[in-house]
Amino acid sequence: QKEVEQNSGPLSVPEGAIASLNCTYSDRGSQSFFWYRQYSGKSPELIMSIYSNGDKEDGRFTAQLNKASQYVSLLIRDSQPSDSATYLCAVRRGGNSWGKLQFGAGTQVVVTP
Amino acid sequence: GAVVSQHPSRVICKSGTSVKIECRSLDFQATTMFWYRQFPKQSLMLMATSNEGSKATYEQGVEKDKFLINHASLTLSTLTVTSAHPEDSSFYICSARGSAGGPYEQYFGPGTRLTVT
Repeated sequence: QKEVEQNSGPLSVPEGAIASLNCTYSDRGSQSFFWYRQYSGKSPELIMSIYSNGDKEDGRFTAQLNKASQYVSLLIRDSQPSDSATYLCAVRRGGNSWGKLQFGAGTQVVVTP
Repeated sequence: GAVVSQHPSRVICKSGTSVKIECRSLDFQATTMFWYRQFPKQSLMLMATSNEGSKATYEQGVEKDKFLINHASLTLSTLTVTSAHPEDSSFYICSARGSAGGPYEQYFGPGTRLTVT
């Protein structure tokens, strides 16, 4: 079992719709959770971090965390063609500890005009 | 968010030569820096983790004598690919994280595309 699992996609989303991305993790000791966006040929860009159960909103992005279910998700509202990218879920054991990130393989999102 | 720079962005070198890649945290002190490698259409692969002033910790299967990492200051880490070969051609990305006072998030540099001919 992989430590962090994501659907690889591609997830096709009409422009203006909501894109819903899911991620599950196996380490119950995980305390820090991140979503990165990676455009083709570019490096990952941090778009959301979440540390507590519940929802966290930032602009058109909402991250949702459920530690009991070991599940973290990302919603992208009003999807735009510029949101077309691969979204990486990353998990780290500990809050401020020095653990390394465990990445999922990424979900490719394609926003169609 | 915090800014991490990387230099050079692209490099082409001949087989057998060495290449140095610099990674700098521009607006925060990076206690910990990470080096990743990514082949086309593949996932990020962590190569090593370095803490300022300490020896790097390499992931299993990564040759520490081939990929030399130096983290001499809180804002600078370097990766030297020694005696590069065509199979070392890849996208190398550094990442940095702060300590007390943050940022606790991990930020990535723009990457260096290495081509070995």
